[in-house]
Amino acid sequence: GENVEQHPSTLSVQEGDSAVIKCTYSDSASNYFPWYKQELGKRPQLIIDIRSNVGEKKDQRIAVTLNKTAKHFSLHITETQPEDSAVYFCAASINSNYQLIWGAGTKLIIKP
Amino acid sequence: DAMVIQNPRYQVTQFGKPVTLSCSQTLNHNVMYWYQQKSSQAPKLLFHYYDKDFNNEADTPDNFQSRRPNTSFCFLDIRSPGLGDAAMYLCATSRGAGGTEAFFGQGTRLTVV
Repeated sequence: GENVEQHPSTLSVQEGDSAVIKCTYSDSASNYFPWYKQELGKRPQLIIDIRSNVGEKKDQRIAVTLNKTAKHFSLHITETQPEDSAVYFCAASINSNYQLIWGAGTKLIIKP
Repeated sequence: DAMVIQNPRYQVTQFGKPVTLSCSQTLNHNVMYWYQQKSSQAPKLLFHYYDKDFNNEADTPDNFQSRRPNTSFCFLDIRSPGLGDAAMYLCATSRGAGGTEAFFGQGTRLTVV
Protein backbone atom coordinates (compact mmCIF):
# COMPACT_ATOMS: atom_id res chain seq x y z
CA GLY A 1 0.00 0.00 0.00
CA GLU A 2 0.89 3.64 -0.22
CA ASN A 3 3.33 5.15 2.26
CA VAL A 4 4.11 8.85 2.61
CA GLU A 5 7.23 10.08 4.36
CA GLN A 6 7.59 13.73 5.40
CA HIS A 7 10.67 15.69 6.44
CA PRO A 8 11.69 17.46 8.54
CA SER A 9 9.56 16.81 11.60
CA THR A 10 10.34 20.29 12.92
CA LEU A 11 11.49 23.32 10.97
CA SER A 12 12.48 26.61 12.51
CA VAL A 13 13.03 29.60 10.21
CA GLN A 14 13.55 33.29 10.68
CA GLU A 15 10.58 35.48 9.83
CA GLY A 16 10.88 36.58 6.22
CA ASP A 17 12.94 33.57 5.17
CA SER A 18 11.66 30.67 3.07
CA ALA A 19 10.58 27.27 4.35
CA VAL A 20 10.60 24.00 2.42
CA ILE A 21 8.93 20.78 3.51
CA LYS A 22 9.47 17.58 1.54
CA CYS A 23 7.43 14.42 1.10
CA THR A 24 8.01 11.18 -0.73
CA TYR A 25 5.42 8.60 -1.68
CA SER A 26 5.70 4.98 -2.66
CA ASP A 27 2.75 4.21 -4.95
CA SER A 28 3.30 5.47 -8.47
CA ALA A 29 -0.48 5.33 -9.02
CA SER A 30 -1.01 8.20 -6.58
CA ASN A 31 -2.19 11.24 -8.46
CA TYR A 32 -3.48 13.76 -5.95
CA PHE A 33 -1.24 15.50 -3.39
CA PRO A 34 -2.79 17.96 -0.95
CA TRP A 35 -1.11 19.96 1.77
CA TYR A 36 -2.99 20.72 4.98
CA LYS A 37 -2.15 23.31 7.60
CA GLN A 38 -3.26 22.70 11.16
CA GLU A 39 -2.95 25.37 13.81
CA LEU A 40 -2.94 24.31 17.44
CA GLY A 41 -6.35 23.05 18.50
CA LYS A 42 -7.91 23.70 15.10
CA ARG A 43 -8.99 21.64 12.13
CA PRO A 44 -6.70 20.76 9.22
CA GLN A 45 -7.29 23.12 6.33
CA LEU A 46 -6.26 22.62 2.75
CA ILE A 47 -3.75 25.26 1.68
CA ILE A 48 -2.74 23.94 -1.72
CA ASP A 49 -2.94 20.76 -3.75
CA ILE A 50 -1.47 19.40 -6.95
CA ARG A 51 -2.40 16.66 -9.37
CA SER A 52 -0.03 14.37 -11.18
CA ASN A 53 -0.49 16.07 -14.54
CA VAL A 54 1.06 19.27 -13.18
CA GLY A 55 4.65 19.85 -12.08
CA GLU A 56 4.20 23.03 -10.08
CA LYS A 57 1.42 25.14 -8.64
CA LYS A 58 1.63 28.47 -6.91
CA ASP A 59 -0.74 30.51 -4.78
CA GLN A 60 0.73 33.79 -3.54
CA ARG A 61 3.49 32.87 -1.05
CA ILE A 62 2.84 29.15 -1.24
CA ALA A 63 3.97 26.79 -3.98
CA VAL A 64 4.04 23.03 -4.41
CA THR A 65 6.30 21.10 -6.78
CA LEU A 66 5.87 17.50 -7.87
CA ASN A 67 8.47 15.16 -9.32
CA LYS A 68 6.62 12.05 -10.48
CA THR A 69 9.75 10.24 -11.55
CA ALA A 70 11.34 10.58 -8.15
CA LYS A 71 7.96 10.30 -6.39
CA HIS A 72 8.41 13.34 -4.24
CA PHE A 73 6.64 16.62 -3.75
CA SER A 74 7.52 19.71 -1.76
CA LEU A 75 5.83 22.68 -0.15
CA HIS A 76 7.54 26.04 -0.43
CA ILE A 77 6.56 29.03 1.68
CA THR A 78 8.28 32.31 0.90
CA GLU A 79 8.49 35.45 3.04
CA THR A 80 7.34 33.54 6.11
CA GLN A 81 5.18 35.33 8.65
CA PRO A 82 4.29 34.53 12.28
CA GLU A 83 0.86 33.27 11.21
CA ASP A 84 2.56 30.56 9.15
CA SER A 85 3.50 28.81 12.40
CA ALA A 86 1.53 25.55 12.43
CA VAL A 87 1.83 21.84 11.70
CA TYR A 88 1.82 21.05 7.99
CA PHE A 89 0.75 17.67 6.63
CA CYS A 90 1.31 16.33 3.16
CA ALA A 91 -0.88 13.54 1.82
CA ALA A 92 -1.37 11.40 -1.25
CA SER A 93 -4.27 9.55 -2.76
CA ILE A 94 -5.33 7.63 -5.82
CA ASN A 95 -8.46 8.71 -7.64
CA SER A 96 -10.04 5.30 -7.26
CA ASN A 97 -9.31 5.14 -3.56
CA TYR A 98 -11.06 7.38 -1.06
CA GLN A 99 -8.31 7.25 1.47
CA LEU A 100 -5.76 10.00 1.95
CA ILE A 101 -2.40 8.66 3.10
CA TRP A 102 -0.87 11.26 5.39
CA GLY A 103 2.68 12.20 6.15
CA ALA A 104 3.70 12.45 9.81
CA GLY A 105 3.60 16.26 9.81
CA THR A 106 6.09 19.11 10.09
CA LYS A 107 5.94 21.62 12.89
CA LEU A 108 6.92 24.95 11.38
CA ILE A 109 8.17 27.58 13.80
CA ILE A 110 8.64 31.15 12.61
CA LYS A 111 11.14 33.02 14.75
CA PRO A 112 10.59 36.77 15.08
CA ASP B 1 -20.47 29.60 7.30
CA ALA B 2 -19.74 26.31 8.97
CA MET B 3 -19.98 23.51 6.43
CA VAL B 4 -18.98 20.52 8.54
CA ILE B 5 -20.24 20.80 12.09
CA GLN B 6 -19.22 18.57 14.94
CA ASN B 7 -20.91 18.36 18.30
CA PRO B 8 -19.92 18.64 20.98
CA ARG B 9 -16.59 20.47 20.72
CA TYR B 10 -15.48 18.96 24.02
CA GLN B 11 -16.71 15.71 25.53
CA VAL B 12 -15.75 14.21 28.85
CA THR B 13 -16.81 10.62 29.41
CA GLN B 14 -16.18 8.04 32.05
CA PHE B 15 -14.04 5.01 31.43
CA GLY B 16 -16.26 2.33 29.90
CA LYS B 17 -19.30 4.57 29.42
CA PRO B 18 -20.60 4.65 25.84
CA VAL B 19 -20.31 7.95 24.07
CA THR B 20 -21.56 9.28 20.73
CA LEU B 21 -20.03 12.06 18.70
CA SER B 22 -21.98 13.70 15.91
CA CYS B 23 -21.17 15.32 12.61
CA SER B 24 -23.38 17.13 10.14
CA GLN B 25 -22.62 18.68 6.77
CA THR B 26 -24.29 21.23 4.54
CA LEU B 27 -22.15 20.43 1.49
CA ASN B 28 -24.20 17.46 0.28
CA HIS B 29 -20.99 15.48 -0.14
CA ASN B 30 -21.14 11.78 -0.85
CA VAL B 31 -18.22 10.80 1.34
CA MET B 32 -17.94 11.25 5.10
CA TYR B 33 -14.91 10.25 7.14
CA TRP B 34 -14.07 9.83 10.80
CA TYR B 35 -10.49 10.38 11.87
CA GLN B 36 -8.77 10.05 15.22
CA GLN B 37 -5.93 12.46 15.92
CA LYS B 38 -3.59 12.38 18.89
CA SER B 39 -1.22 15.20 19.91
CA SER B 40 -0.02 16.61 16.57
CA GLN B 41 0.19 13.23 14.93
CA ALA B 42 -1.34 12.79 11.51
CA PRO B 43 -5.07 12.09 11.47
CA LYS B 44 -5.75 8.35 11.48
CA LEU B 45 -8.68 7.20 9.38
CA LEU B 46 -11.15 5.06 11.31
CA PHE B 47 -13.80 4.57 8.63
CA HIS B 48 -15.60 6.27 5.82
CA TYR B 49 -18.93 6.18 4.03
CA TYR B 50 -19.58 6.60 0.37
CA ASP B 51 -23.28 7.37 0.56
CA LYS B 52 -24.52 4.45 2.66
CA ASP B 53 -21.63 2.15 1.84
CA PHE B 54 -19.56 1.70 4.97
CA ASN B 55 -15.81 1.08 4.84
CA ASN B 56 -13.95 0.11 7.97
CA GLU B 57 -10.17 0.43 8.19
CA ALA B 58 -8.54 -2.88 9.01
CA ASP B 59 -6.95 -1.60 12.21
CA THR B 60 -9.96 0.26 13.59
CA PRO B 61 -10.85 -1.32 16.96
CA ASP B 62 -14.24 -3.02 17.28
CA ASN B 63 -14.95 -0.57 20.08
CA PHE B 64 -15.60 2.05 17.41
CA GLN B 65 -18.80 1.99 15.41
CA SER B 66 -20.43 4.44 13.05
CA ARG B 67 -23.84 5.27 11.68
CA ARG B 68 -24.91 7.42 8.78
CA PRO B 69 -28.70 7.72 8.80
CA ASN B 70 -28.79 10.19 5.91
CA THR B 71 -26.52 12.25 3.66
CA SER B 72 -26.14 15.06 6.18
CA PHE B 73 -25.41 13.24 9.41
CA CYS B 74 -22.82 10.79 10.63
CA PHE B 75 -22.20 9.48 14.15
CA LEU B 76 -19.23 7.92 15.87
CA ASP B 77 -20.09 5.56 18.70
CA ILE B 78 -17.43 4.45 21.15
CA ARG B 79 -18.91 1.53 23.02
CA SER B 80 -16.51 1.30 25.94
CA PRO B 81 -14.04 4.17 25.95
CA GLY B 82 -10.63 3.47 27.38
CA LEU B 83 -7.99 5.95 28.45
CA GLY B 84 -6.22 5.33 25.15
CA ASP B 85 -9.23 6.61 23.23
CA ALA B 86 -8.72 10.15 24.50
CA ALA B 87 -8.03 12.14 21.35
CA MET B 88 -9.38 14.68 18.92
CA TYR B 89 -11.99 13.14 16.62
CA LEU B 90 -12.31 14.79 13.26
CA CYS B 91 -15.14 14.40 10.82
CA ALA B 92 -14.49 15.24 7.19
CA THR B 93 -16.39 15.19 3.92
CA SER B 94 -15.49 15.10 0.26
CA ARG B 95 -17.46 15.23 -2.92
CA GLY B 96 -16.26 11.95 -4.32
CA ALA B 97 -13.27 9.74 -4.77
CA GLY B 98 -9.72 10.43 -3.68
CA GLY B 99 -8.55 13.43 -5.61
CA THR B 100 -11.04 15.87 -4.17
CA GLU B 101 -10.59 18.22 -1.25
CA ALA B 102 -11.55 16.95 2.18
CA PHE B 103 -13.37 19.48 4.37
CA PHE B 104 -12.90 19.02 8.09
CA GLY B 105 -15.11 19.85 11.01
CA GLN B 106 -13.74 21.62 14.08
CA GLY B 107 -13.29 18.32 15.84
CA THR B 108 -14.45 16.93 19.17
CA ARG B 109 -11.86 16.71 21.92
CA LEU B 110 -12.66 13.55 23.88
CA THR B 111 -11.39 13.17 27.44
CA VAL B 112 -11.82 9.85 29.26
CA VAL B 113 -11.75 9.97 33.06
